[in-house]
Amino acid sequence: KQEVTQIPAALSVPEGENLVLNCSFTDSAIYNLQWFRQDPGKGLTSLLLIQSSQREQTSGRLNASLDKSSGRSTLYIAASQPGDSATYLCAVNDNAGNMLTFGGGTRLMVKP
Amino acid sequence: EAGVAQSPRYKIIEKRQSVAFWCNPISGHATLYWYQQILGQGPKLLIQFQNNGVVDDSQLPKDRFSAERLKGVDSTLKIQPAKLEDSAVYLCASSLQGSDYGYTFGSGTRLTVV
Repeated sequence: KQEVTQIPAALSVPEGENLVLNCSFTDSAIYNLQWFRQDPGKGLTSLLLIQSSQREQTSGRLNASLDKSSGRSTLYIAASQPGDSATYLCAVNDNAGNMLTFGGGTRLMVKP
Repeated sequence: EAGVAQSPRYKIIEKRQSVAFWCNPISGHATLYWYQQILGQGPKLLIQFQNNGVVDDSQLPKDRFSAERLKGVDSTLKIQPAKLEDSAVYLCASSLQGSDYGYTFGSGTRLTVV
């Protein structure tokens, strides 16, 4: 059974810092991995989708990497802003059906 | 394109009452999912539909939860009777057949059982 872990569970940084959020998964036979953002009381917004054959994806100040063999993904946020404050969720789609298995999320607070 | 629509946004009910949630996926998305997200946790899959057939409902508490997807489009999720531990956000998501393009989530329904 796939298990997804996100570290740290919470993170507080001053504005302008570069930061890294970590995601690990137990079964490396994944189809793809997706990073989401969730604002309080809201649904999930897709940030980046990495296929199993890819090593990284970039969108603006966000860069997500995938190391399938070691069961790890990182989300790098450059020059963080207060508007980046949210919960970031990592989700893995494995080969057996198309369900997503989520990590517990990292709650990010960027202080002005 | 329009996103995944869910209603209601909020619902408060007493334990042992029943409740229903509605989801309208993105047009053309064959696959529809219902997830339960308890406060402070990541979402957990309840049920997955492919068109109007159930693909995976292994984590759906079938003694109290039911879901249907008529005509392979809209879906409803029902809880009867509700328990206190059902308090959560219920998220609906859809994807094209296969998952190459990722998933789109709705805003969710926040259920409070008192």
